[in-house]
Amino acid sequence: GENVEQHPSTLSVQEGDSAVIKCTYSDSASNYFPWYKQELGKRPQLIIDIRSNVGEKKDQRIAVTLNKTAKHFSLHITETQPEDSAVYFCAATPEGKLIFGQGTELSVKP
Amino acid sequence: SQTIHQWPATLVQPVGSPLSLECTVEGTSNPNLYWYRQAAGRGLQLLFYSVGIGQISSEVPQNLSASRPQDRQFILSSKKLLLSDSGFYLCAWSTGYEKLFFGSGTQLSVL
Repeated sequence: GENVEQHPSTLSVQEGDSAVIKCTYSDSASNYFPWYKQELGKRPQLIIDIRSNVGEKKDQRIAVTLNKTAKHFSLHITETQPEDSAVYFCAATPEGKLIFGQGTELSVKP
Repeated sequence: SQTIHQWPATLVQPVGSPLSLECTVEGTSNPNLYWYRQAAGRGLQLLFYSVGIGQISSEVPQNLSASRPQDRQFILSSKKLLLSDSGFYLCAWSTGYEKLFFGSGTQLSVL
């Protein structure tokens, strides 16, 4: 089955710096790659997604890149703010189900 | 608009007791429904998913079961809880196999 690896598990940056979170997947049939943000005690919320026919997608300070050949995709957050602090999850969708990475705890220090 | 309801928000149960968590979705028909478990605030583990009434796929052999008695209702059950069943349980829905929307979750503590 699909296996999604996510790195790093924790990430600490200064406010205003950029943050990058990377994921790899194993199933070449996966064709949809969302990213979720989960604040403490709350439900995960979709923040951006990308399909396999696109190499990059951007939404304000957030961007996602996909390399299907290498089977990896990344989340980029620019000009980080304290409210970006949360746990971020990547996911891949083989066979009609979302398989998540283990999460990255991002801490943005003022 | 679509909404998802999940209850209860918190639950404390003794070892060996039964469990029933319920999730309902409003504003859409024939959604895909999912149960995930999250331990220690990390790692969303897919437990069950359903693409229609009575159709349940189990991802991980365990002490839990799921049922979908109605189109927009998904139930997670156990006959006898174990300590290892403790965790944060999240119900979710999607209209295809892509965008997933989560319920507010149930924090289960088995003592």
